[in-house]
Amino acid sequence: GAGVSQSPRYKVAKRGQDVALRCDPISGHVSLFWYQQALGQGPEFLTYFQNEAQLDKSGLPSDRFFAERPEGSVSTLKIQRTQQEDSAVYLCASSFLGSGGVETQYFGPGTRLLVL
Amino acid sequence: AQTVTQSQPEMSVQEAETVTLSCTYDTSESNYYLFWYKQPPSRQMILVIRQEAYKQQNATENRFSVNFQKAAKSFSLKISDSQLGDTAMYFCAFMKHEQGAQKLVFGQGTRLTINP
Repeated sequence: GAGVSQSPRYKVAKRGQDVALRCDPISGHVSLFWYQQALGQGPEFLTYFQNEAQLDKSGLPSDRFFAERPEGSVSTLKIQRTQQEDSAVYLCASSFLGSGGVETQYFGPGTRLLVL
Repeated sequence: AQTVTQSQPEMSVQEAETVTLSCTYDTSESNYYLFWYKQPPSRQMILVIRQEAYKQQNATENRFSVNFQKAAKSFSLKISDSQLGDTAMYFCAFMKHEQGAQKLVFGQGTRLTINP
């Protein structure tokens, strides 16, 4: 079956522009995560959805970052007034909220954002 | 808060050799999960192996095995008979064991190169 997909794969933005990054999770996956991966670093958690509910947004670095998942499937991460320090790869992951056991997170290919 | 440390930024071995990647973590949790993820140059993060902290037996997946030392908070990955396709960034990650989906906390990564 199809994996997690993200679009666009690459985005170049001028400082101050708004950007929107899209994530299509695996069909039927209830949980959706966004991570930010700076160059040469490990991913860092941004936010988490269970269906359409945003249950944890503790990792969002500022109020310029906003995420939504209105119908419990596709999610969009929006960054307003982009800054150079926002340049990173943004990874989306989804998992199936089953009963018991550990949930494996399946990652998308990421969106590489470059802010000039 | 949990932290994950990978002390080897880069490693390089010859094809068919065995290589061990190190990972230590810090947590006050008694029950949790540990993961090794592989991120090839295409950037899609792939789960390699996972370990439940309550299990004493080390996890094994074909050529990949872990050495889990709970008291020492150490979780190393051994790759046997290394192949060119094993070339990638490897990330160690921690997840709390709580009901529902939980975020992953990643280390900084180890860049592994398998030479022909």
